[in-house]
Amino acid sequence: EIVMTQSPATLSVSPGERVTLSCRASQSVSSKSAWYQQKPGQAPRLLIYDASTRATGIPARFSGSGSGTEFTLTISSLQSEDFAVYYCQQYNNWPLTFGGGTKVEIK
Amino acid sequence: EVQVLESGGGLVQPGGSLRLSCAASGFTFSGYAMSWVRQAQGKGLEWVSTLSGNSAGIWYADSVKGRFTISRDNSKNTLYLQMNSLRAEDTAVYYCAKKGGTSSDVWFDPWGQGTLVTVSS
Repeated sequence: EIVMTQSPATLSVSPGERVTLSCRASQSVSSKSAWYQQKPGQAPRLLIYDASTRATGIPARFSGSGSGTEFTLTISSLQSEDFAVYYCQQYNNWPLTFGGGTKVEIK
Repeated sequence: EVQVLESGGGLVQPGGSLRLSCAASGFTFSGYAMSWVRQAQGKGLEWVSTLSGNSAGIWYADSVKGRFTISRDNSKNTLYLQMNSLRAEDTAVYYCAKKGGTSSDVWFDPWGQGTLVTVSS
């Protein structure tokens, strides 16, 4: 099983700041990774797939990068609606696995 | 609009059974793999099972293999999850999700609103 490790677990950020979230895979997953955003009481929402492709309707301030074992989600200028938990996922191998999540909270 | 909507959650005793349903609309249901993902209260996401569009491909997490059965009725645009021999650790919100994109890769888009399964005596 491929283990996805996200860091940090919690990030305290002020609105307008640039945010970088990390996700590391225990073995190469090529570019087969996705990022999701989850707000309290809501279902997750797809942000990024294939490591760097924004999903339909996702603002340009969200970008993804990386391949192999290291992946990054960047929010260029954090908006109030971006405070949430972010999860990475790999789909290169079964079982499909998620990272433990990074909570982005207001500083 | 592409939508998936779960139902069937509830309270069940340990060792009991429950069947979840997921009604899909807004896309050609038979053309897409569908999945179940669960989330225990305050915890992260855990993939449970995926079923291909023609039901030829079936995958399960080890934690549910032999106890849960995923199936679909393409004539009704509905996905199911039959859960048997339920344990306390199966307590979670269960999400139904459509496979994103058109390749064989499985990411999840969109997700339903989830249905809560509570296993307790």
